[in-house]
Amino acid sequence: EADIYQTPRYLVIGTGKKITLECSQTMGHDKMYWYQQDPGMELHLIHYSYGVNSTEKGDLSSESTVSRIRTEHFPLTLESARPSHTSQYLCASSDPRTGGIYGYTFGSGTRLTVV
Amino acid sequence: GENVEQHPSTLSVQEGDSAVIKCTYSDSASNYFPWYKQELGKGPQLIIDIRSNVGEKKDQRIAVTLNKTAKHFSLHITETQPEDSAVYFCAASRSTGANNLFFGTGTRLTVIP
Repeated sequence: EADIYQTPRYLVIGTGKKITLECSQTMGHDKMYWYQQDPGMELHLIHYSYGVNSTEKGDLSSESTVSRIRTEHFPLTLESARPSHTSQYLCASSDPRTGGIYGYTFGSGTRLTVV
Repeated sequence: GENVEQHPSTLSVQEGDSAVIKCTYSDSASNYFPWYKQELGKGPQLIIDIRSNVGEKKDQRIAVTLNKTAKHFSLHITETQPEDSAVYFCAASRSTGANNLFFGTGTRLTVIP
């Protein structure tokens, strides 16, 4: 059973709206990630964090921003949603004390549609 | 940085047959290679992994092999069942530095009953 939770599961929102996608984990993992998954399946890293007050940009440029005020919480915000932001967003976490060797735990994702 | 290539992008097999998905990586310092299964409407789930000091690992109907010299690794599923239908991702990472996972582009496996 995954201990990482994403809300909402589905979101349809109008262009120009501000949205926040929530991600929380109960495993005490320091490292957390946001991936954007396109319809072609590929996973693109857009943000990650080493721990509290740490945020880093990923491999894919994104107009979203993230914050990490608490270990368990890693929300992603879009200040002004556009149709090009329509995608599946996946949150994940890992324990860097293991050198990442136990892989990531993923949430179930948020499917965002901007109309 | 690391570049992971995955083939094929789609794979259809008859129930009971075997399925093989192959990945190559570029960074010789990578030493951890997990495989994830993503079912419809869910996030990817770790199904098996292998570290660079091991050449093969098996867990019931699934197995992974690693060839460090050639920098490629493979997932083998035997006696496939309809519930094996999903998207499968390979990944690679180092255990030092940022140790982010680098994912392959995914393989959509369909098991035909």
